[in-house]
Amino acid sequence: DVKVTQSSRYLVKRTGEKVFLECVQDMDHENMFWYRQDPGLGLRLIYFSYDVKMKEKGDIPEGYSVSREKKERFSLILESASTNQTSMYLCASSLSGPYNEQFFGPGTRLTVL
Amino acid sequence: AQKVTQAQTEISVVEKEDVTLDCVYETRDTTYYLFWYKQPPSGELVFLIRRNSFDEQNEISGRYSWNFQKSTSSFNFTITASQVVDSAVYFCALSEAYSGAGSYQLTFGKGTKLSVIP
Repeated sequence: DVKVTQSSRYLVKRTGEKVFLECVQDMDHENMFWYRQDPGLGLRLIYFSYDVKMKEKGDIPEGYSVSREKKERFSLILESASTNQTSMYLCASSLSGPYNEQFFGPGTRLTVL
Repeated sequence: AQKVTQAQTEISVVEKEDVTLDCVYETRDTTYYLFWYKQPPSGELVFLIRRNSFDEQNEISGRYSWNFQKSTSSFNFTITASQVVDSAVYFCALSEAYSGAGSYQLTFGKGTKLSVIP
């Protein structure tokens, strides 16, 4: 069974902390994505990666960075967490190509106090 | 630029009613792909269906059916005889065939929250 896992379901951090969100997929997918989901705004793409060490900015990259050192792992980093980064973070992966569906992880609900 | 609009923010229906979720898209490409995802209360998005721009055949899968009409740029989703387990947020999404980067982004609509009342 295909699987995307995220390191935490719930996370509480303080303003200014450095936060790491980890995502692992076991499907040998080339593409990996980070989204944030907020009420009324739907899913917004933060960053994506189409290969190891390759990354592209999505629609809202400000305040975030990413790392992909291995094909199966894609990390989202909040360099200095702020309260407006309180959100649900979703990781996804897919095979290369526009016709391939994305497989999503269960999400991490991050609260920044 | 591509865009997906789901005008219905929330819908409530009584169990066994039929319900249609609307999706309207905008794209300049002639080749593109449309998707529907379901997000139950547990939070994990689940892929439901994909349709490419050259295939306007309607699709039926059990109680679910999808109506793709290029003339109106719509890809609507109907649930027949709704059940409480259908309660979820449903997202429509669009992927264009040609992207500037090495990957292909999905553009999501904002979702429609469906509540099925017993």
